[in-house]
This record gives sequence, C-alpha cells and structure tokens, in this order.
Amino acid sequence: GQQVMQIPQYQHVQEGEDFTTYCNSSTTLSNIQWYKQRPGGHPVFLIQLVKSGEVKKQKRLTFQFGEAKKNSSLHITATQTTDVGTYFCAGRAVRGGSYIPTFGRGTSLIVHP
Amino acid sequence: EAGVAQSPRYKIIEKRQSVAFWCNPISGHATLYWYQQILGQGPKLLIQFQNNGVVDDSQLPKDRFSAERLKGVDSTLKIQPAKLEDSAVYLCASSFSSGRYNEQFFGPGTRLTVL
Repeated sequence: GQQVMQIPQYQHVQEGEDFTTYCNSSTTLSNIQWYKQRPGGHPVFLIQLVKSGEVKKQKRLTFQFGEAKKNSSLHITATQTTDVGTYFCAGRAVRGGSYIPTFGRGTSLIVHP
Repeated sequence: EAGVAQSPRYKIIEKRQSVAFWCNPISGHATLYWYQQILGQGPKLLIQFQNNGVVDDSQLPKDRFSAERLKGVDSTLKIQPAKLEDSAVYLCASSFSSGRYNEQFFGPGTRLTVL
C-alpha cells in the first residue's frame, strides 16, 4: 500500500531560525495536504498542493510539491514560538474514484525563545 | 459554523472490554473519516465513508473494529474486544466530499486508554 515518509521526526530551533520538513511518498500522489497539530490539539488544515512543481506561500510558510508528485516540503522562515507543533503531510491517491489520504509520521517543531 | 463533534473525550477500559465512539460531522459534509493516532505517530486512516457507503476500510482491523454511518450523518466506531495496543486517540474528520479539493476538518478526538 501507499506509504508516506516524513523527516525529521523532531526539530529543535532557536526562535528566528528557519525550519524545513520533508515528505516522501512511495507512489505518485494526486495531491498533498499539510496539517498542523498543536500539543494536545487536533490536526488543522494548512494548505493543499495539486500541480507538479507547485509552490505556495502563506506568510512565513512556503510549501512545495515535487515535479514527480512524490515529494513535498514545508519551510518556515524565521520561526516564532507560535509555530510550535507537529506538522503532518497527507498524501492523497485516487482509489475507486475517491481521494484516500495517507498521513506521514509528522515532524515536531520545538522553538526555543 | 459548528465543528466536528466527538464523544466521549476520554475513555478508560480494561482489555477485552468493548467501547464505542460517536462522531457528528459538519453539517452538509458527505465524507467522514475515522483515524487512529498512536502517541508520536501520524493519524492512521481506519475507515472512510462517503454518505453511508464505505470508500476505504483497508486498514480497519475487522476482527475487532466496526464502524457504521447509517443515515449518512452521525457515525459510531466500536472496538470489541479491546487490546492494550488499541490505546490511542481516535480522531473523526469530515470533508465536503471525497473529491480533489477537499480539506479535512478534525474533531477534538477521543483518548482511549486500555489497561
């Protein structure tokens, strides 16, 4: 079945440093979504990427989808303490006409003030 | 707009007992998902419904887990009998459909502890 790998598992940064998490799928994806889960909370949707090579920005967050639609990354510039949480990618593949999501293990971001 | 509702929020049971979780999705959302999230891991899809039909249940341990969405709205997930390794947070999510551009909205989850 489809597997989605995400690295690193944890990342400690000083406030103001940059952060990147990488997501790799064993199969070609139809699209990919990114979610953020705050400690003790539930995943919250951030963005969806659909096209090969797509790049989207949300303020300090930059999301990329690989040319082969098998990998993606999330980059945060100048981290803030409010960025603390676990970031998940969810690769979506079509099966039987529906989009089925597979989540990565997540990258936990710890920001030290 | 009301979010996804789940109950109970917490449940402690002993192994071999049974337990049921309830989910009420966002009004109008046709697709409902149940996930199992073990501490330190990503959500694992157990079952995905489109209205009251099952779209995918390939990772649902069918010997002990069951789920239903009888009227295409609320859903229940049951575990019978529970094992120690079932200790996890059970997340329910919904989306407008199973189509291409649909984000998932998650409920607060039910934290299950099996002793």
